[in-house]
Amino acid sequence: EAQVTQNPRYLITVTGKKLTVTCSQNMNHEYMSWYRQDPGLGLRQIYYSMNVEVTDKGDVPEGYKVSRKEKRNFPLILESPSPNQTSLYFCATGQGPAEAFFGQGTRLTVV
Amino acid sequence: GQNIDQPTEMTATEGAIVQINCTYQTSGFNGLFWYQQHAGEAPTFLSYNVLDGLEEKGRFSSFLSRSKGYSYLLLKELQMKDSASYLCAVRKTDSWGKLQFGAGTQVVVTP
Repeated sequence: EAQVTQNPRYLITVTGKKLTVTCSQNMNHEYMSWYRQDPGLGLRQIYYSMNVEVTDKGDVPEGYKVSRKEKRNFPLILESPSPNQTSLYFCATGQGPAEAFFGQGTRLTVV
Repeated sequence: GQNIDQPTEMTATEGAIVQINCTYQTSGFNGLFWYQQHAGEAPTFLSYNVLDGLEEKGRFSSFLSRSKGYSYLLLKELQMKDSASYLCAVRKTDSWGKLQFGAGTQVVVTP
């Protein structure tokens, strides 16, 4: 079964405590991407990766890091989370022109 | 910059037709996408247009006019389960991996 798996699904953390949200896919897709979704703002792209070891900034990369050491995984790292990073995060993958698969989402609260 | 505009909310009756418009401004265009997102869930891919014209998939159709920076998603024979947010997204030519979303249109289907 084609899957994009994000972990954790829910996370409450404190300001400044480093965290990682993992994203794993089993479809051998080259393209992976991270988004955050906030009310009234829609989905905004944080980072994307065209292939292993190739990453690039989206529209809102500040405060985030990513890595793509292997094709299946694309973790999102918040080195020093702040309350304005409280959001719903989605990982997405694709092989063709469209991003066909989104993960289930990670709801992050930073207090 | 790139503005993607779509109405905030639309209401329609079960069995009816609803047309969701999306206008965009972009210095480079490489495809327009429509996604459906039910509350609390991940977006799911509906359609992709890169050339002018109409693409039909069952009850859903999507239209694109590149010269006008305009697209619409047509939902026919509305069902209650079609109540969801519909997201318009545009990909740019100068950066294949970047995808920008509109804020979404909430469609409410009433009995």
